[in-house]
Amino acid sequence: NAGVTQTPKFQVLKTGQSMTLQCAQDMNHEYMSWYRQDPGMGLRLIHYSVGAGITDQGEVPNGYNVSRSTTEDFPLRLLSAAPSQTSVYFCASSSPGTSGAYEQYFGPGTRLTVT
Amino acid sequence: SQKIEQNSEALNIQEGKTATLTCNYTNYSPAYLQWYRQDPGRGPVFLLLIRENEKEKRKERLKVTFDTTLKQSLFHITASQPADSATYLCARPWGNDYKLSFGAGTTVTVRA
Repeated sequence: NAGVTQTPKFQVLKTGQSMTLQCAQDMNHEYMSWYRQDPGMGLRLIHYSVGAGITDQGEVPNGYNVSRSTTEDFPLRLLSAAPSQTSVYFCASSSPGTSGAYEQYFGPGTRLTVT
Repeated sequence: SQKIEQNSEALNIQEGKTATLTCNYTNYSPAYLQWYRQDPGRGPVFLLLIRENEKEKRKERLKVTFDTTLKQSLFHITASQPADSATYLCARPWGNDYKLSFGAGTTVTVRA
């Protein structure tokens, strides 16, 4: 199993440009999430999905869109990039598992710089 | 989201000693707390989960406690090794169980 994969690994955008961060998982997990990680602030939830066709907002959703057409894929779209969106983005998937608690499996991250 | 704080950004310890990290939460006690390890340039990796009704949980050299009176979890690395050097994150569920709030993390450096 590849687990959770993310592309690209690095990206530089100019202010106002748009792009899509790709995320895929091969563990058949129902739940997928996008986080951003900034120094000293921890991981913050952007959007999440509880299954194909169902998405909802997290703590910091402004400026980002998501969709979930399949169980495997959960892309994150930046509509008009701003310098404040410079961050490291992590995709994660989870399922209740045997513990009933949603242990998150994270991808390797995408480091995004907006100039 | 529910606030969660890890009270030290960095911890430097000598190999063989025990590292103790603190995670404090506010408001209601969560049903469980999770701990993750993150190495530089990589995504977090799940380590341990402790439930509200469990006072202590162990996994190899790791030990986690959960004190609902103090609203605190302690994470111990015993007999620490340089390979334990990493950032450790605490997380709690909020809203639905699959949404987590993370602390900012504590970076542990173990000196040989």
